[in-house]
Amino acid sequence: EADIYQTPRYLVIGTGKKITLECSQTMGHDKMYWYQQDPGMELHLIHYSYGVNSTEKGDLSSESTVSRIRTEHFPLTLESARPSHTSQYLCASSESRGYGYTFGSGTRLTVV
Amino acid sequence: GQNIDQPTEMTATEGAIVQINCTYQTSGFNGLFWYQQHAGEAPTFLSYNVLDGLEEKGRFSSFLSRSKGYSYLLLKELQMKDSASYLCALNSGGYQKVTFGTGTKLQVIP
Repeated sequence: EADIYQTPRYLVIGTGKKITLECSQTMGHDKMYWYQQDPGMELHLIHYSYGVNSTEKGDLSSESTVSRIRTEHFPLTLESARPSHTSQYLCASSESRGYGYTFGSGTRLTVV
Repeated sequence: GQNIDQPTEMTATEGAIVQINCTYQTSGFNGLFWYQQHAGEAPTFLSYNVLDGLEEKGRFSSFLSRSKGYSYLLLKELQMKDSASYLCALNSGGYQKVTFGTGTKLQVIP
């Protein structure tokens, strides 16, 4: 059973819309991450957080923003969606060094 | 920066053994992960190597040589359900910031 939850699982929206992708974990992990992955391609880190009120941009430039007001919650927001944002977005969390990430099921976003 | 290199695709027969290689270059090294990712699903953690040598977990084993910048994942007694992409991922930054390779797509055939 999943300890990290992402909603929605699938989303189709129009260009220019504002959207928030939700991610919550029940494991009490301090570290959380957002990755973007196109089909058959590698994962790219777009945002990460080491704890409450801590957020950093990742290696891949992204027009999204994140917030970390509570340990368990790490939402990602796109202020104005574009077709180039069409991708799968994966949220993950980890306990500490040496432990693998636990990934959510992902949100597959399509912007038309 | 980091650079990770894995073969793009491999095919192996059910019941056989397959070795998936990963080479890397990095300015800092904390450890190396292997993940399994089935098509359309999220990656799942397989192993984490910090020190040189072989670590075995059931049918899966992972090897690391830090001096050579080399790791491999060994899958024994292959099953059809092992058909998936296998991602090599480098932990080279502070606070477990991880870089993923492009993955090796393994197809297991009868």
